[in-house]
Amino acid sequence: QLVLTQSPSASASLGASVKLTCTLSSGHSSYAIAWHQQQPEKGPRYLMRLNSDGSHNKGDGIPDRFSGSNSGAERYLTISSLQSEDEADYYCQTWGTGNVVFGGGTKLTVL
Amino acid sequence: QVQLQESGPGLVKPSETLSLTCTVSGGSINSYTWSWIRQPPGKGLEWIGYIYYSGSTNYNPSLKSRVTISVDTSKNQFSLKLSSVTAADTAVYYCARGDREFDPWGQGTLVTVSS
Repeated sequence: QLVLTQSPSASASLGASVKLTCTLSSGHSSYAIAWHQQQPEKGPRYLMRLNSDGSHNKGDGIPDRFSGSNSGAERYLTISSLQSEDEADYYCQTWGTGNVVFGGGTKLTVL
Repeated sequence: QVQLQESGPGLVKPSETLSLTCTVSGGSINSYTWSWIRQPPGKGLEWIGYIYYSGSTNYNPSLKSRVTISVDTSKNQFSLKLSSVTAADTAVYYCARGDREFDPWGQGTLVTVSS
């Protein structure tokens, strides 16, 4: 079964960097994923697609501070030079044959 | 720049059918796939289904028996119907472009199921 696992919460200081993790279920380590950001009281915003080879394609207007990488079944979203507006929920998402799956989301607090 | 806007009743009675429309502006609905996604209050995102501009569909297996998504290319709109709703269907409903990566998203509309 295709499942994405995310830590419920993360925190980092203003100006620092943070690395969020999304883990693909067993047997699905070659899958691409997408990352979405949801700021408080707003709809989600597409950040990027992250392929299994580590390459990523960002959405329009997404700052260079956002980058993606991977290791095995883990997919990462790194945010550098954290700003207050980066405080948000971050969701990873993937797709299989006729199915779309979201991770449970990580709530990022900027200290 | 493509923009999406959801519209429809904010309150639906239990056992009735929820109906929403997504209007696409700034671009054509043709040649793309269009999705519905929902988010119960305080919870995560759940994919509902998608429709190709040609009309073929794919639905979340957990909702398949109750969901119908349709498209009206002449109006640049696509729609969602969810039948036999219960309180568990209370959520913010989003429309989005795509069937893999979703970009862009609409701002969402809250639908409450209550008598």
